[in-house]
Amino acid sequence: DAKTTQPNSMESNEEEPVHLPCNHSTISGTDYIHWYRQLPSQGPEYVIHGLTSNVNNRMASLAIAEDRKSSTLILHRATLRDAAVYYCILGNTGKLIFGQGTTLQVKP
Amino acid sequence: KAGVTQTPRYLIKTRGQQVTLSCSPISGHRSVSWYQQTPGQGLQFLFEYFSETQRNKGNFPGRFSGRQFSNSRSEMNVSTLELGDSALYLCASSSSPASVNTEAFFGQGTRLTVV
Repeated sequence: DAKTTQPNSMESNEEEPVHLPCNHSTISGTDYIHWYRQLPSQGPEYVIHGLTSNVNNRMASLAIAEDRKSSTLILHRATLRDAAVYYCILGNTGKLIFGQGTTLQVKP
Repeated sequence: KAGVTQTPRYLIKTRGQQVTLSCSPISGHRSVSWYQQTPGQGLQFLFEYFSETQRNKGNFPGRFSGRQFSNSRSEMNVSTLELGDSALYLCASSSSPASVNTEAFFGQGTRLTVV
């Protein structure tokens, strides 16, 4: 399973954009890039996923590098509710392999 | 529509006992996967079922087993419980195998404490 590298923690101010990076230099051509987040005392929650092109949904945007060796999750306006652990996951086989993720703190 | 339902929410068992946890996926979803979450190891993949067949298995001992029924409901069983099995067990459901071109929906989990 291809591995991902994320910073352990990041801080953001409320109502400012947040860019969460993820490196995945060993990604295979068929690996999807998934992002999940886990709020305290809850199960993980799907955020977004993509294969090659940038993706947008109501929660976030996913920017994928042209060589696909890295990606960035973009939260356009962070709120206090966005404070969570964000996981970047690669896969195409049916299992989600979670790393340590990035703990995002949002300051009011 | 109803989300993923895991029962029970909390469980206390004694070392050596066995336990069965249940997961009801979102209606229409055929893929169910199970994860163990501990403070030390984080979220670890246990196994994945799709249409009653186990498609993937994580690196856990044979004491951990599971199954999926024809209505897509799934159970996982842990036999001969050890203290280290204390964890939050999470179930996820998706319309097709998770990590492919789909999103997975997680339940709230079952908190297992082994004493």
